[in-house]
Amino acid sequence: EAQLAESGGGLVQPGGSLRLSCAASGFTFSNYYMTWVRQAPGKGLEWVASIRRDASGKFYADSVRGRFTISRDNAQNLVNLQMDSLRAEDTALYYCVRDGGYCVSASCYTALDYWGQGTLVTVSS
Amino acid sequence: AIQMTQSPSSLSASVGDSVTITCRASQGIGNDLGWYQQKPAQAPKLLISAASSLQSGVPSRFSGSGSGSDFTLTISSLHPEDFATYYCLHDYNYPLTFGGGTKVEIK
Repeated sequence: EAQLAESGGGLVQPGGSLRLSCAASGFTFSNYYMTWVRQAPGKGLEWVASIRRDASGKFYADSVRGRFTISRDNAQNLVNLQMDSLRAEDTALYYCVRDGGYCVSASCYTALDYWGQGTLVTVSS
Repeated sequence: AIQMTQSPSSLSASVGDSVTITCRASQGIGNDLGWYQQKPAQAPKLLISAASSLQSGVPSRFSGSGSGSDFTLTISSLHPEDFATYYCLHDYNYPLTFGGGTKVEIK
């Protein structure tokens, strides 16, 4: 079964940087888009970023574009999220998610089907 | 960016009740919508994709419908394990957007 394990969270000062990693196992990593979703304490879910199978396309939420960078290493089954210029509002549990998307005829759908347990990022002085 | 408005934000219901949660998109999104369930201290779980396609292993009491800009998630007969928070997510284009969530509580 697919498994995702995030690491790299912690306490960082405003303006600082942090790099999250997600180790994937139990599936052919290079066949899937990968996504980061975050959840601020007591709040709802927020999509952060996604990356195509071969990293040819990277997509970001407006709230993080220009500050966060998603990347992947298909040889190591890793997806990363480099977070720079961190703000207090970036404080959240960050989930690594597999996108088991599929296509039916000419339509393709996202299906965030496997989630890690999350890594907590706290931005505070 | 497409906005997703989910309602109600919370509801109280009893075991055996039927409940309906709605999600409205700020523009038409075809059937590019999924539903997710999250229980306290757990990661979310995919229930439905493509507005009405039930994920493998999800009980048939869950169903989704809608297209265009209006969507519903229905739980036909609440079980104790269904008390959770539910989110919609559009995947029409990037950036993806979740709805604000609906907390289903025990009456």
